[in-house]
Amino acid sequence: DTAVSQTPKYLVTQMGNDKSIKCEQNLGHDTMYWYKQDSKKFLKIMFSYNNKELIINETVPNRFSPKSPDKAHLNLHINSLELGDSAVYFCASSQVGRGDYGYTFGSGTRLTVV
Amino acid sequence: QKEVEQDPGPLSVPEGAIVSLNCTYSNSAFQYFMWYRQYSRKGPELLMYTYSSGNKEDGRFTAQVDKSSKYISLFIRDSQPSDSATYLCAMSAWNNDMRFGAGTRLTVKP
Repeated sequence: DTAVSQTPKYLVTQMGNDKSIKCEQNLGHDTMYWYKQDSKKFLKIMFSYNNKELIINETVPNRFSPKSPDKAHLNLHINSLELGDSAVYFCASSQVGRGDYGYTFGSGTRLTVV
Repeated sequence: QKEVEQDPGPLSVPEGAIVSLNCTYSNSAFQYFMWYRQYSRKGPELLMYTYSSGNKEDGRFTAQVDKSSKYISLFIRDSQPSDSATYLCAMSAWNNDMRFGAGTRLTVKP
């Protein structure tokens, strides 16, 4: 069973479209994250949710809106897509207070905006 | 200054070499230190974890943390072509808010 699963794996779309990425974890973790990885492999935190509550909201355009219906799911909706949004988006989960477990990452969603 | 600095490389070594990867950081509140390995087109996976200062060894991998110098290292002994990947250092304070280095791309040539 996949611990952190993201869908879709690949997403190619035109500028101006709205798209969503879904994430689910079956590890029982209480915190989930969205990271953006650019072409230089730099991982940048976008959002973090703990038990459905937003706890980290980095400087991200408000075209990006996360939603956590329950602590096992964290979705990312992107409005009015731009060329610069092309990147790999990773979902991750962790258990607060268990730093030794680190983060468990999904396999990523490769978004290409044309 | 970035919170976590890591030389992106690329780093290319022959098979069997000892590899040394390093990161420096500026936030003295960091106490959990990790190394992630990321293969091409895959998500990062936790490779090594160290709490506070000290060394930790796991097979061919050794992680070192020097909090006084704000410097962490990962050593890979007897490197193999299968070790070719991007290695990311990561660290967090008590709140699990993890910050990543830029990643070092390593190639081990047969």
